[in-house]
Order: sequence, then C-alpha cells, then structure tokens
Amino acid sequence: ETGVTQSPTHLIKTRGQQVTLRCSSQSGHNTVSWYQQALGQGPQFIFQYYREEENGRGNFPPRFSGLQFPNYSSELNVNALELDDSALYLCASSQTSGRRNEQFFGPGTRLTVL
Amino acid sequence: AQKVTQAQTEISVVEKEDVTLDCVYETRDTTYYLFWYKQPPSGELVFLIRRNSFDEQNEISGRYSWNFQKSTSSFNFTITASQVVDSAVYFCALSEDFSGYALNFGKGTSLLVTP
Repeated sequence: ETGVTQSPTHLIKTRGQQVTLRCSSQSGHNTVSWYQQALGQGPQFIFQYYREEENGRGNFPPRFSGLQFPNYSSELNVNALELDDSALYLCASSQTSGRRNEQFFGPGTRLTVL
Repeated sequence: AQKVTQAQTEISVVEKEDVTLDCVYETRDTTYYLFWYKQPPSGELVFLIRRNSFDEQNEISGRYSWNFQKSTSSFNFTITASQVVDSAVYFCALSEDFSGYALNFGKGTSLLVTP
C-alpha cells in the first residue's frame, strides 16, 4: 500500500506567476484535502475534493483552485502568486465511507515565492 | 467559530523526562472531534489520536497519554519518559467531522528532547 505522494518537493516561483502542485492519494482513498502551512504556523484548510468535485473550501481566494482526477489524484493551482503564498502545501487523502476514514498526509511541497 | 490554542511555542526537555503539551479549544458545536498530529522534520503530519466530544475517557498508548476535559475545553497530551525521537512539532486540531474534514489546527508546539 503506497502512501500519499506529492510533487515537486520544492519549487521557487516569482510573484505574479502561476504554479501547479500535484498529489497522489493513498491506494483506495477517494477524498483529497489541501492545506497551506506558513512557516511557524499550523496548517490551514484550503479545500477538499471528493469524486472530482470541490466538497468544501476554507478562507482562500478564488486564485487557489483545484482538480481531482478519476484516479483520485489531485492538483492545486495557484494563480497570480503573492509573496505570502510562500508555504508548505500539504495534501491529505482519506476514504469517505466506512468506519476508519482517517486522513493520511503527504510530505508536502515547499513553495517559495520571490 | 472554532479555535485551537497551543500556548507553548517551544519546549525543551532532557531524555527520560515526562512532558505535557497543552491544547485548549473553542467551538459552538455540540459534536466535534479533537486530534493530535506529530510533524517530524520531514514535514508530513503523522496522526496520533482522534477523540470525539462525547468520550471523555483518558487514553494511553504506550508512552503517550491524552487527557480530555470538556469542562475546561482542554485536550492535553503527555509523553512519558521522552526520547530523542520524540523531537518534532506537535499539533492539536479540531474538526466537526469524524473524518477530520477541514481540520482547524493550533500553531503547534515544538518539542526538543536532548540526550
């Protein structure tokens, strides 16, 4: 059973650019959540995808968008990057059904915006 | 609105000492779920425990124990006989859902255990 994987590991962009981060969910999981973790802070919920549809969103502007694919992998897209977007982006997958449905987090993508 | 407060930013202990990490939460929900996660330097969050609001029984798992007190809105985590491998950032989190949907995290407590 493979865990949650994310790519790339690190990324450097400049202000105004666009970025796409990728997440492969754990085998058998159909739900993916994305979190932003600024340095020295706790993770903040961006949004969740379930069966390819957005299933809830935190307090993030529309320039943060996502996709979920039929194989349940997911992308996080951020347009018009700002300096404050520099953070560790964490993806978590879970199985929305059954009794366990525990979330498993990936190692994250560290984004630096210059 | 939900809020989780971890007042201890950093804690440093010597190996084999016991250490307690504090967590205080606020929520208007009558049903909610509390979580603890460990974040080692590698970055990924490791699930430690989930507790629902109706279950105030304390839990022990090896050297880890958790004390949930609804009366004081606290969910504290104790590591007994700490080890160097316990060094990490620990997060307390709150969710309205058993699955941990839209987790609301505290700012974390950085624990350093020295030999």
